[in-house]
Amino acid sequence: DIQMTQSPSTLSASVGDRVTITCRASQSISGWLAWYQQKPGKAPKLLIYRASSLESGVPSRFSGSGSGTEFTLTISSLQPDDFATYYCQQYNRYSWTFGQGTKVEIK
Amino acid sequence: EVQLVESGGGLVKPGGSLRLSCGASGFTFSSYSMNWVRQAPGKGLEWVSYISSSSSTIYYADSVKGRFTISRDNAKNSLYLQMSSLRADDTAVYYCARWSGSYSSFDYWGQGTLATVSS
Repeated sequence: DIQMTQSPSTLSASVGDRVTITCRASQSISGWLAWYQQKPGKAPKLLIYRASSLESGVPSRFSGSGSGTEFTLTISSLQPDDFATYYCQQYNRYSWTFGQGTKVEIK
Repeated sequence: EVQLVESGGGLVKPGGSLRLSCGASGFTFSSYSMNWVRQAPGKGLEWVSYISSSSSTIYYADSVKGRFTISRDNAKNSLYLQMSSLRADDTAVYYCARWSGSYSSFDYWGQGTLATVSS
């Protein structure tokens, strides 16, 4: 099975900061990677699909990049509503794996 | 508006069974593959099971294979997860999630239902 490793596990940042979260796959997954945001007690919300495509309705301050085994989620200017946990997710041949999550906290 | 509403969670003893349901509305349910994803308390997300739109293709995570059964009723716009031989480590919030094959992502999620396995 493909393993997904996110870093960092926790990130402390201030409103207005540029934030980058990294997700590494144990083998190449081409571009089949998605990013989700989850707030406490809520279901995950899709932000980015196919590594770099922004889901409809998601603010443009979110962006994704990468291919192969290394991917990043960037928030260009952190807003109060962005403090949450972020997960990457890969799909490969009917196998789905999530990263362990990155919690973005208020500094 | 797409809506997914899970139900059926509760407290069950180890070795027991539970059946989760997910009602779908706001889209053509029979055209989409569906999944169950779970989240243990304070932990990350874990994919559990996949079922294709026609039920012809089904997959399970190794952790639940042989104990859980996914099914769907397209006439009732409903997804199910029959869970048996439950263990304490099956305790989690269970989400149903729509699979967008074109975008290789879970594009809509329900609010989740909590299944607690404890004596």
